[in-house]
Amino acid sequence: ELKVEQNPLFLSMQEGKNYTIYCNYSTTSDRLYWYRQDPGKSLESLFVLLSNGAVKQEGRLMASLDTKARLSTLHITAAVHDLSATYFCAVDRGAQKLVFGQGTRLTINP
Amino acid sequence: SAVISQKPSRDICQRGTSLTIQCQVDSQVTMMFWYRQQPGQSLTLIATANQGSEATYESGFVIDKFPISRPNLTFSTLTVSNMSPEDSSIYLCSVEDLSGSSYEQYFGPGTRLTVT
Repeated sequence: ELKVEQNPLFLSMQEGKNYTIYCNYSTTSDRLYWYRQDPGKSLESLFVLLSNGAVKQEGRLMASLDTKARLSTLHITAAVHDLSATYFCAVDRGAQKLVFGQGTRLTINP
Repeated sequence: SAVISQKPSRDICQRGTSLTIQCQVDSQVTMMFWYRQQPGQSLTLIATANQGSEATYESGFVIDKFPISRPNLTFSTLTVSNMSPEDSSIYLCSVEDLSGSSYEQYFGPGTRLTVT
């Protein structure tokens, strides 16, 4: 059974700092997703990572994938308050069926 | 990207009643997925809805409790039957974008259900 674990689950940080969210998964997969969820909202797709060594960047967010280590990271550079949200990673267990991590609640303080 | 709408956006229901949630996509898709997000929790897959065949349910979810319809390639419904307060959750439908090679999976806006 595929298990997906994120850490940390809660993260409070200062604006301008850098930090990384980690996503570990237990079995091989072809695809890994990162989503953002604001309170009371649905999920916003951030990144899809398809291969070992894949790296994608959008603004202050950068995601990477190491399929051998079964690890993905979401790196936040010079955080700003607008990035406060809950971030989920999700792994495709096959046939487009996603298994989600617990989510990381990120709070960025001015 | 696929545009997904859901109805209703939210509802408050009494225990013992049923609610049907609709999901509409602006393009044809082979599979549609229904997820549940309990308060403060992550998302869990309920079932996969395929057009022309029975839905496939995940462990812990059964058809009698969550019947699903998939009458065509752009529409699906999920019914939450004989509701109890434990069914209070956000229910989201999801599809994969097949318009390119992005493999993106998009989520609808969700239906926030409160059972009293």
